[in-house]
Amino acid sequence: QVRLVESGGGVVQPGRSLRLSCTASGLTFKNYGMHWVRQAPGKGLEWVAVITYDGRNTYYSDSVKGRFTISRDDSKNTLYLQMNSLRPEDTALYYCATDRDWNYLGSWGQGTLVTVSS
Amino acid sequence: QSVLTQPPSVSGAPGQRVTISCTGSSSNIGAGYDVHWYQQLPGAAPKLLIYGNNNRPSGVPDRFSGSKSGTSASLAITGLQAEDEADYYCQSSDNSLSGSRVFGGGTRLTVL
Repeated sequence: QVRLVESGGGVVQPGRSLRLSCTASGLTFKNYGMHWVRQAPGKGLEWVAVITYDGRNTYYSDSVKGRFTISRDDSKNTLYLQMNSLRPEDTALYYCATDRDWNYLGSWGQGTLVTVSS
Repeated sequence: QSVLTQPPSVSGAPGQRVTISCTGSSSNIGAGYDVHWYQQLPGAAPKLLIYGNNNRPSGVPDRFSGSKSGTSASLAITGLQAEDEADYYCQSSDNSLSGSRVFGGGTRLTVL
């Protein structure tokens, strides 16, 4: 059974940085592309970024491009999201999810909350 | 403003059938990309409900079905049950940004 556990969320001031982690178990992590998706309080889902299974390719939404970096460490079964130059509008629950067939998001974690506020 | 358009809310009585639409454009659904659906129960993480337009993962009841035509897709729920009350999101891919995925704005289903 696939289990994804996000961590690293918290309260941070605008302009500062934060790194999120997503630890996976119950799957062969190195075989899966991985996504980050966020959900602002009371709002819908917003896709943030994806990394291919081999880590060679990464893609970002326009709203985070140039500020966020997705990466992975297959030796630790862990996905990361480095978030720089944070803005109040980045406040959201951040989910990691597995990519299936470069098409849909198969399994989801429970999310970690990021609050950007002075 | 979401790339895929869904009605904000739908409702139905127990046992009834409801449908949720998802309207895209020629750069996403109309470009031939598959549509997928996710269910988010109150206070929970999203869960894959339908993938590849009309396929159900193991464990999803056959009361849930999906379809796609042109630049739109639909999720149908028959035999509505109280536990179906949730938010539903459609998702596809889009040509406008390489590698991108796009979601609908979500539809709140209320079981009367």
